This record gives sequence, C-alpha cells and structure tokens, in this order.
Amino acid sequence: AQSVAQPEDQVNVAEGNPLTVKCTYSVSGNPYLFWYVQYPNRGLQFLLKYITGDNLVKGSYGFEAEFNKSQTSFHLKKPSALVSDSALYFCAVRDPSSGNTGKLIFGQGTTLQVKP
Amino acid sequence: NAGVTQTPKFRVLKTGQSMTLLCAQDMNHEYMYWYRQDPGMGLRLIHYSVGEGTTAKGEVPDGYNVSRLKKQNFLLGLESAAPSQTSVYFCASAHAGGQGVYGYTFGSGTRLTVV
Repeated sequence: AQSVAQPEDQVNVAEGNPLTVKCTYSVSGNPYLFWYVQYPNRGLQFLLKYITGDNLVKGSYGFEAEFNKSQTSFHLKKPSALVSDSALYFCAVRDPSSGNTGKLIFGQGTTLQVKP
Repeated sequence: NAGVTQTPKFRVLKTGQSMTLLCAQDMNHEYMYWYRQDPGMGLRLIHYSVGEGTTAKGEVPDGYNVSRLKKQNFLLGLESAAPSQTSVYFCASAHAGGQGVYGYTFGSGTRLTVV
C-alpha cells in the first residue's frame, strides 16, 4: 500500500539551530513529493515540491528538502530555525499508482516547536 | 486573488442533521478534492473529482456525498451527521501540466463539530 510516514510527532529545536523534519514514503513508481505547513487555525501552505531533477529542492521561507531515492526519504531542513517556524508540518506524496487522478497521500504531521 | 474558498468556516451540527460544505475555486482547475484532518492522522481523502460532472471515492467516503455540477464548485454533503464526522475539512484544487497533476491549492478549512 502507498504510504507516507513522519516518524516524529514533535520536533523541538532552539532558535538559530538547524532543524530537520523527517519523512519517508512507500510508493510504487516515481513519486512527486511535497511539504506543507499549517499554522494554528489556518489552512495548508505550500513549502516545496520534488517532481524530477535536482535532488535538493529549495522552497519558501528558507526551507529545503533532499530527495533520497535509495532511502525513500524526503526530509525537510532549514539551516537556522526561527520561533516563527513553529507550526505543524505535513509531508505528502502524489500516488503514482492512481493514474492521472492527482491524489495526495499525507503523513500524520509533525509539530515543530522552536524555542527562543 | 481568492484561490480556493470554503464556506462555512465553522459549523456545529446536531447528530442526524444534514449540511453541505461548499468549495469554490477561481483558477480554472480541473481537479478538486475533499480531505478531512484529524489529530495524529494527517489528512485523509474523502472524495475527489477529475473534472466537471465526475466524482470518485477516496480513502474515507462513508457518510459523505459530493457533486461537481460546475467546474469551479465542489460540494461535500453530510446526509445524517454523526459525532465521528467532527473534523476539520479541507478542499483542494489542482492543475495538471506536462508532468501530470502537481500544482495544489488548499482552502482555509471548515471546522465542523457534531454534537
């Protein structure tokens, strides 16, 4: 079955330190991978995506992610965390086995807490 | 730039009542989706549509119905609400290009409580 896993419910990091939010996936075929952020009582905001090409993807607000096909991972990173980065982060994969329906499969989400 | 608009934003229903959630997009997107978000479970797909007049079931369709009579609107109906349908509902639309479907826009969500 196609799936996305975010192994950490919560990640705590001090402001100014690097952060990593982990994501692994299990799909057949070539995945399209996405990261979204959700601030309290708000909708999902797009951060970045990987479709093809360079494995290192740069996105909004200084975030980046690296596609690792051998490890089936797409971890989200930022060199220096800000308190304002505190939010709920979702990894998602477009299900390649679903034809051209564009269905997204989401991980369970990781809460990022950046402390001053 | 409106993007994807969901109405209402909040609603409290009694068990057994019915309601319709409206999703409207102004980007001429072909694809539209309804997800529900529950704590610790991420977003799960309820129903989706790949074009006007077409709908299909997602991962958790039971208790919901949908319609896509106009390209810009995707309606989610609850015929007889149950407490298990208490959730935050998100609508999304997407366009397709040469690489398939990959450009998604999400609405701001509808918080539904069933008592």
